Amino acid sequence: ELKVEQNPLFLSMQEGKNYTIYCNYSTTSDRLYWYRQDPGKSLESLFVLLSNGAVKQEGRLMASLDTKARLSTLHITAAVHDLSATYFCAGGPGTASKLTFGTGTRLQVTL
Amino acid sequence: GAVVSQHPSWVICKSGTSVKIECRSLDFQATTMFWYRQFPKQSLMLMATSNEGSKATYEQGVEKDKFLINHASLTLSTLTVTSAHPEDSSFYICSGTSGGYNEQFFGPGTRLTVL
Repeated sequence: ELKVEQNPLFLSMQEGKNYTIYCNYSTTSDRLYWYRQDPGKSLESLFVLLSNGAVKQEGRLMASLDTKARLSTLHITAAVHDLSATYFCAGGPGTASKLTFGTGTRLQVTL
Repeated sequence: GAVVSQHPSWVICKSGTSVKIECRSLDFQATTMFWYRQFPKQSLMLMATSNEGSKATYEQGVEKDKFLINHASLTLSTLTVTSAHPEDSSFYICSGTSGGYNEQFFGPGTRLTVL
């Protein structure tokens, strides 16, 4: 059974700083997703990573996938307050199977 | 991305009553839909997987007689919480996928409060 762990669970960072959120998973996962969740809201899809070495970037966020290490990272560059949210990674086998979510990382960007 | 809606967005009910939540895929055919629940400050926990026209597959620990799932068409799945109790209060989120390696698209969620 796939297990997904994230760290840190909570991250407080100043605007302008860089940081990385880590997502480790226990067994083979064909897909790795990153989502953002604002308080009281549902999930917003950020990235889909499908192959080893995949790197995707959108604005100040960059996600990567290392399937050999079973590790995905979400890197935040020059954080701004608007990035404050909870970030989840999720993995699972292909063919429309269920996703297993990580514990989530609550990011707080302070002015 | 594709759009999934949920109705209602929030509901308050009395203990012992039943509540139905609808999940609709608006611009794609969702061959598979998933139901999740999320407690405050926790992650999403999958409750069940439903394929159109088939019985839902429930995760371990989820009571199928309490959480009734129906996926009667390719655009609609419903979750009925029967005889709700305060411990059922949670944020319920559905998602749908058109299958294959296509990603899941999430609904906006339904906040259930049982008094």
